[in-house]
Amino acid sequence: AQTVTQSQPEMSVQEAETVTLSCTYDTSESDYYLFWYKQPPSRQMILVIRQEAYKQQNATENRFSVNFQKAAKSFSLKISDSQLGDAAMYFCAYRSDYGGSQGNLIFGKGTKLSVKP
Amino acid sequence: KAGVTQTPRYLIKTRGQQVTLSCSPISGHRSVSWYQQTPGQGLQFLFEYFSETQRNKGNFPGRFSGRQFSNSRSEMNVSTLELGDSALYLCASSLMGYTGELFFGEGSRLTVL
Repeated sequence: AQTVTQSQPEMSVQEAETVTLSCTYDTSESDYYLFWYKQPPSRQMILVIRQEAYKQQNATENRFSVNFQKAAKSFSLKISDSQLGDAAMYFCAYRSDYGGSQGNLIFGKGTKLSVKP
Repeated sequence: KAGVTQTPRYLIKTRGQQVTLSCSPISGHRSVSWYQQTPGQGLQFLFEYFSETQRNKGNFPGRFSGRQFSNSRSEMNVSTLELGDSALYLCASSLMGYTGELFFGEGSRLTVL
């Protein structure tokens, strides 16, 4: 069974600085998707960034980028120029590309990010 | 475009009762998934529905059930509630396709006393 591990329960960053959130996963599959989701205190989770395992290029979305290391099974999220609105729980998630089920995500336990003004 | 709507947002039940939670997906989304979120276990997949058919089910007891209607709206039911069922229940909808982005609702907070 696949697992996702986020080893940092809490992180803190100064506004305008850069922070990196760590995520490792375990799988025997070769095709899969990885996601970072953000859950602000209002609770509605939103997608931050996605990575297809077959793509070697790291995904980037504005201030958010990932460092995807397939062999090491590592998928870290870098937030540049941190803003107060980035404060939230961040979840790393894995989705298999087999079985036709796209709603079944395996989530890590999350990292609570605080942004200091 | 309206987002995923979950009702009720908050509810309190007592042990042994049953509860039904509702989820209206984004218009055009035919896939609906349910998750249970607790401080101890984190986010755990309950089940997924597509076109009124359950496609996948997580590792939860049979007390947890769901269904999807022809308009893609979904309900989940928990019977014989236990204290451990207290959680935030999240619904997510998606378009079928390789991108697989899930759009989440704000959740239904269930407290079992």
